Amino acid sequence: SQTIHQWPATLVQPVGSPLSLECTVEGTSNPNLYWYRQAAGRGLQLLFYSVGIGQISSEVPQNLSASRPQDRQFILSSKKLLLSDSGFYLCAWSVRSHRDSISSYNEQFFGPGTRLTVL
Amino acid sequence: QKEVEQNSGPLSVPEGAIASLNCTYSDRGSQSFFWYRQYSGKSPELIMFIYSNGDKEDGRFTAQLNKASQYVSLLIRDSQPSDSATYLCAVSGTYKYIFGTGTRLKVLA
Repeated sequence: SQTIHQWPATLVQPVGSPLSLECTVEGTSNPNLYWYRQAAGRGLQLLFYSVGIGQISSEVPQNLSASRPQDRQFILSSKKLLLSDSGFYLCAWSVRSHRDSISSYNEQFFGPGTRLTVL
Repeated sequence: QKEVEQNSGPLSVPEGAIASLNCTYSDRGSQSFFWYRQYSGKSPELIMFIYSNGDKEDGRFTAQLNKASQYVSLLIRDSQPSDSATYLCAVSGTYKYIFGTGTRLKVLA
């Protein structure tokens, strides 16, 4: 069965510090991968998605970046954190349909999340 | 701007009753529809998905889709206190998934 891991589970960082969150998926190949942020009491905001190694699409211009160095590894980074970067960061994956490279039909599954507090 | 709208609630129902959660979406090209349950402090958990107009049942859960009205709903029969959570509606189009802000459900024992 498929499993998605995220770490760390919680993180407290000062403003201006760097960030690196990691996500890995087990039990599947060639997944679509996603990073979301959920601010307190708010909905899920899509930050990045990836359909393959080295292929990253950004949804929201900001001081965050993402990379996919391996098929099942997705990394979210920042060089300098802002107070507004606080939130619950969720990695998700979905099966890539054989019909196209970016499937819109398949369910999306979430990792356990990282709660980031920027002080 | 493609949107998914949900009533934020809280929706309070007594134990054993039917909870009805509703969602509307703006993009007529949307192809797939999902319901997630999110407990406080936890990540969303997929509970239902539906692609075709009509009803889809899974245990105590029924998803209903009406593409003409751009409306999707989730019914929870025999609601239990453990069903108390925020329910997120999600819609997928060509490339990505768009989530509503969620409806908070409270099942009163």
